[in-house]
Amino acid sequence: EVQLVESGGGLVQPGGSLRLSCAASGFTFSSYEMNWVRQAPGKGLEWVSYISSSGSIIDYVDSVKGRFTISRDSAKNSLYLQMNSLRAEDTAVYYCARGSSWDYWGQGTLVTVSS
Amino acid sequence: DIQMTQSPSSLSASVGDRVTITCRASQGISNSLAWYQQKPGKAPKLLLYAASRLESGVPSRFSGSGFGTDYTLTISSLQPEDFATYFCQQYYSTPQRTFGQGTKVEIK
Repeated sequence: EVQLVESGGGLVQPGGSLRLSCAASGFTFSSYEMNWVRQAPGKGLEWVSYISSSGSIIDYVDSVKGRFTISRDSAKNSLYLQMNSLRAEDTAVYYCARGSSWDYWGQGTLVTVSS
Repeated sequence: DIQMTQSPSSLSASVGDRVTITCRASQGISNSLAWYQQKPGKAPKLLLYAASRLESGVPSRFSGSGFGTDYTLTISSLQPEDFATYFCQQYYSTPQRTFGQGTKVEIK
């Protein structure tokens, strides 16, 4: 069974940092590109970041460029999102989504940026 | 950036009704469109991709159509479990994908 489990969310002050993780199981993680997507409370969905299966191609939405870093560790079947210089507008549930078809998503982890 | 305009933002319907949701892209996206269903507190679920292809396990009452810039999601006979929020997503400009604002389908 394909599973994606996010962790690492929490309450952080503006300017702070968090590292999100997405643990994958039930499929060959190294064969799939991965994405981070977020949803602010009561709002729509926003793609945040992409990483290719090899990790050689990476992209970000403009609003997080220079602050967020996506990475992956195929030995640990895990996807990461390092978030620095956090702002109130980064408050959201963060999901990881699998592959080019986004057919599986995790349950999400809530990041709250507030003083 | 490709902008996606989804309408309506919400609708009220009864069980058994036919429901149509539309999505318009700011430029042609060559059927590179997916539809998702999201229930409160849950992750989105993929319903259709390539504008009209049904994801495995999704009931056939869901269908999609369109081309160029204009696309529709139709639920032929609304069921109680279909009350949810629906989002369109373009992947023409992958990996940079954008979503419509969502349509909340509520019980009349």
